[in-house]
Amino acid sequence: KQEVTQIPAALSVPEGENLVLNCSFTDSAIYNLQWFRQDPGKGLTSLLLIQSSQREQTSGRLNASLDKSSGRSTLYIAASQPGDSATYLCAVRQETSGSRLTFGEGTQLTVNP
Amino acid sequence: NAGVTQTPKFRVLKTGQSMTLLCAQDMNHEYMYWYRQDPGMGLRLIHYSVGEGTTAKGEVPDGYNVSRLKKQNFLLGLESAAPSQTSVYFCASTFQGAHEQFFGPGTRLTVL
Repeated sequence: KQEVTQIPAALSVPEGENLVLNCSFTDSAIYNLQWFRQDPGKGLTSLLLIQSSQREQTSGRLNASLDKSSGRSTLYIAASQPGDSATYLCAVRQETSGSRLTFGEGTQLTVNP
Repeated sequence: NAGVTQTPKFRVLKTGQSMTLLCAQDMNHEYMYWYRQDPGMGLRLIHYSVGEGTTAKGEVPDGYNVSRLKKQNFLLGLESAAPSQTSVYFCASTFQGAHEQFFGPGTRLTVL
């Protein structure tokens, strides 16, 4: 059974700092990995999708990398802003799971002004 | 496009009552999903559908039923609500498996 772990569970940083969020998964037979953002009381917003054949994806100040063989992904946020404060979730899709996602529990990020 | 919408946004039920949650998407997506989100448990898949008229069980299907009579709609039913079903329910959809999933805003359900 796939298990997804996100470390740390919570992170507090000053504005302007560059930071890295970690995601690890136990079964490397994944189809793709998706990073989401969730604001309190809201739904999930898709940030980046990395296919298993890709090494990284970039969108603005966000960069996500994937090392499928070691079961790891990182989300790099450059020049963090208070508006980046949210919970960040990673989720993996198995190769044989009918496209369903297995989620980590998330990293709660607070960026202080 | 409205994306993925969910109805209702909030609901309070008494134990034993029934209700249906509606998910609608206007992106012509084939696949649709129902998840529940609980503190300390993360998001867990309840049921999913890979096309109109098809449904399948996810990780935590007990106590729930679903139907996909129209491609754009995916209904989640609770026949006899229990306090353990207090949760936030999210619907999601995707075009195909290789594509990103899009989520609705959620339904916050409390069962007393």
